[in-house]
Amino acid sequence: AQSVTQPDIHITVSEGASLELRCNYSYGATPYLFWYVQSPGQGLQLLLKYFSGDTLVQGIKGFEAEFKRSQSSFNLRKPSVHWSDAAEYFCAVDNTGFQKLVFGTGTRLLVSP
Amino acid sequence: EPEVTQTPSHQVTQMGQEVILRCVPISNHLYFYWYRQILGQKVEFLVSFYNNEISEKSEIFDDQFSVERPDGSNFTLKIRSTKLEDSAMYFCASSPGGMAGELFFGEGSRLTVL
Repeated sequence: AQSVTQPDIHITVSEGASLELRCNYSYGATPYLFWYVQSPGQGLQLLLKYFSGDTLVQGIKGFEAEFKRSQSSFNLRKPSVHWSDAAEYFCAVDNTGFQKLVFGTGTRLLVSP
Repeated sequence: EPEVTQTPSHQVTQMGQEVILRCVPISNHLYFYWYRQILGQKVEFLVSFYNNEISEKSEIFDDQFSVERPDGSNFTLKIRSTKLEDSAMYFCASSPGGMAGELFFGEGSRLTVL
């Protein structure tokens, strides 16, 4: 079955440390890939997306993600985490091209002082 | 910056009651969506809407659900006879369209069915 997996439910990172959030998908072809962030009481905000081309994509708030076809992964990274990055992060895929997204279960990021 | 707005932010209702969740999409967007997230579970696609009709719907979107764009600005989700399992956060989203166009989400409406 087609699915999106975020293996880490919670991650705690010290402020200033680097971050990597994992995302794997299982689809026959390369889907469109997204990372969204949800802060408490807020809607889902798009961080970045991958459609084609360069496999390293840059997003807002200093985030980047790398698409690795061989691993069916699209991991999100940030070199130095800020306390304001504490939120829930969702990986999503769209294999239709018509915004019918399939979401992962999310990873809650906690930032320690 | 334009945004998608949803009302109410939280609604509590009794099982069997009808509920209408309202959304104002971004004004020049052409595609509209409802997603939901049951507590502790994934965000799930419910329905997409374009040109005044449903373009796609999921298995979840059964006969108790309906969507409407009653005027030029609002997009509503109606649940005819709510069940306990309808308790969830419901997200409205809009998109300008095009292949894999960006989805802009609202802050969500939390529905609690007692």
